[in-house]
Amino acid sequence: DGGITQSPKYLFRKEGQNVTLSCEQNLNHDAMYWYRQDPGQGLRLIYYSQIVNDFQKGDIAEGYSVSREKKESFPLTVTSAQKNPTAFYLCASSRSWQGTEAFFGQGTRLTVV
Amino acid sequence: SQELEQSPQSLIVQEGKNLTINCTSSKTLYGLYWYKQKYGEGLIFLMMLQKGGEEKSHEKITAKLDEKKQQSSLHITASQPSHAGIYLCGAEVAGNTGKLIFGQGTTLQVKP
Repeated sequence: DGGITQSPKYLFRKEGQNVTLSCEQNLNHDAMYWYRQDPGQGLRLIYYSQIVNDFQKGDIAEGYSVSREKKESFPLTVTSAQKNPTAFYLCASSRSWQGTEAFFGQGTRLTVV
Repeated sequence: SQELEQSPQSLIVQEGKNLTINCTSSKTLYGLYWYKQKYGEGLIFLMMLQKGGEEKSHEKITAKLDEKKQQSSLHITASQPSHAGIYLCGAEVAGNTGKLIFGQGTTLQVKP
């Protein structure tokens, strides 16, 4: 089955630790995205990648880092510099960076204690 | 400030009633996407609009993009409890190549 997979679904970390969220797609999509969702604020764009080995900062990139070494993978690292990391994180991919719909994973809920 | 403004933020309707959700931008939208989300889950794609004046329908949901490509509406006819959830508009906005941004979302409750 083709799709986009985020793991794990729930993640707990202690304050001050870095944590990496996984996002894998087998749809052969060029573009991938990471969003953060907080209650009442919709989706805010963290990073996006139009093609492998390239990525750009979104609207709230501070405290996050990404890599795009393989077409199918776009991991997101939440660093200790992120002031308020507890949130619901969503990964998406689309066939191209413009004019095609994005498909979403099921999300990872990160709780930092 | 949001580049995409959705209204209303929340909506409670009686089953069987019609409703409309709006999505507005101050810039030209190159692609406008409507999604539905159940709380704590991923987004499900509903419809994509690209041309000014375009209108698409799926079952009881109709989406329109205005001629200027700066506003879209999502209309649900004869709402049912299964329509409940969060509706989000997403778009590629002029001047932001490759960025897919979203509005704040509209939470819909349908009372049986």
